[in-house]
Amino acid sequence: EAGVAQSPRYKIIEKRQSVAFWCNPISGHATLYWYQQILGQGPKLLIQFQNNGVVDDSQLPKDRFSAERLKGVDSTLKIQPAKLEDSAVYLCASSLVGTDNSPLHFGNGTRLTVT
Amino acid sequence: AQKITQTQPGMFVQEKEAVTLDCTYDTSDPSYGLFWYKQPSSGEMIFLIYQGSYDQQNATEGRYSLNFQKARKSANLVISASQLGDSAMYFCAMREGGASGAGSYQLTFGKGTKLSVIP
Repeated sequence: EAGVAQSPRYKIIEKRQSVAFWCNPISGHATLYWYQQILGQGPKLLIQFQNNGVVDDSQLPKDRFSAERLKGVDSTLKIQPAKLEDSAVYLCASSLVGTDNSPLHFGNGTRLTVT
Repeated sequence: AQKITQTQPGMFVQEKEAVTLDCTYDTSDPSYGLFWYKQPSSGEMIFLIYQGSYDQQNATEGRYSLNFQKARKSANLVISASQLGDSAMYFCAMREGGASGAGSYQLTFGKGTKLSVIP
């Protein structure tokens, strides 16, 4: 089966600019996640969707970050305006359902550098 | 308090030897799941193994096994017969069940352990 697709692979922007990331989950996976992974740390959940509804966005900096999942399939994550501390790898993941034993399958991530 | 603690920032192991990567967790939820992921330098996160809180036996998956000690709240990953391709970051993660109020079943990661396999 095709894995989780993410684009772009790399992005370099200046602070205060905006940027958007795209994710296409594994077909049939109801749950989609966006994680932020800062260099040297483990991934941190930004937002979780169940179909096209938000389940958890408690750690999403809502003043600058936004995300949507159109028709319960693809998702976009946007940052506007970007700050230096947003430099990180943004990982998209999906799972069949968001319960105990359903593993997350990750995409290759988008490496964002804010200068 | 951290929910997942990985105390070994880096580990070295000789090729063909076994290695144990430590993970302790903190939860008051009776229902939870523990996961291990591998992240090579390419950046992808690869699912390795899962252990449920109610599972009676330790999980095994090929060369990977999970040493689950529930009373001690530890879930150490054991890699047998290490290979050069095992060199990577390894992350322990926990998903708590709905009893804790975390209805999202959020997966929380530790800071990781960098494993280097020496030829």
